[in-house]
Amino acid sequence: GNSVTQMEGPVTLSEEAFLTINCTYTATGYPSLFWYVQYPGEGLQLLLKATKADDKGSNKGFEATYRKETTSFHLEKGSVQVSDSAVYFCALQGAQKLVFGQGTRLTINP
Amino acid sequence: EAQVTQNPRYLITVTGKKLTVTCSQNMNHEYMSWYRQDPGLGLRQIYYSMNVEVTDKGDVPEGYKVSRKEKRNFPLILESPSPNQTSLYFCASSSWGGITDTQYFGPGTRLTVL
Repeated sequence: GNSVTQMEGPVTLSEEAFLTINCTYTATGYPSLFWYVQYPGEGLQLLLKATKADDKGSNKGFEATYRKETTSFHLEKGSVQVSDSAVYFCALQGAQKLVFGQGTRLTINP
Repeated sequence: EAQVTQNPRYLITVTGKKLTVTCSQNMNHEYMSWYRQDPGLGLRQIYYSMNVEVTDKGDVPEGYKVSRKEKRNFPLILESPSPNQTSLYFCASSSWGGITDTQYFGPGTRLTVL
């Protein structure tokens, strides 16, 4: 079946550091891939998505590229801010549902 | 404003006392779904609905019921809650539930069952 594996957290970085959160997936067919973000006390918000191989999703300085050959969708940002502190979820859209990774808690220190 | 709303946001109850968590969307979406979020497990789907009067089980449906009598509403019912249903619950909706569709989430309902 479909599954998503994210790097273990928590991750703590200093402001302006480079961020990578690894995400790999197992899927039948060609699912769409997503990154969702959950800020403290809030629901999930879509951060970015990619619907086919080699697509790059981007938003708010974050980027992720759909790599079919390595079955990966790693999240990157060149210079993080304190306001990026949140929990990040990688997910794939299968038949009638999203399959989520376990989430990675990110804390950015000033 | 396009949104998914849930009520209540927080609920503390006791074992066996029936409860309903409401979910409503104003985007005319066909597809709606319920997830629960537990530490270390991410989000797991409970039930989903492709349209009015069409519902189906997700990965963890035991102990839950749903109904879809109107397009905009998709309540989650716990007929006899137990402590293992203590969790953070999210309702979501999307246009049609297809693999390229984007799901929009409500703010969450934090449920504690004593």
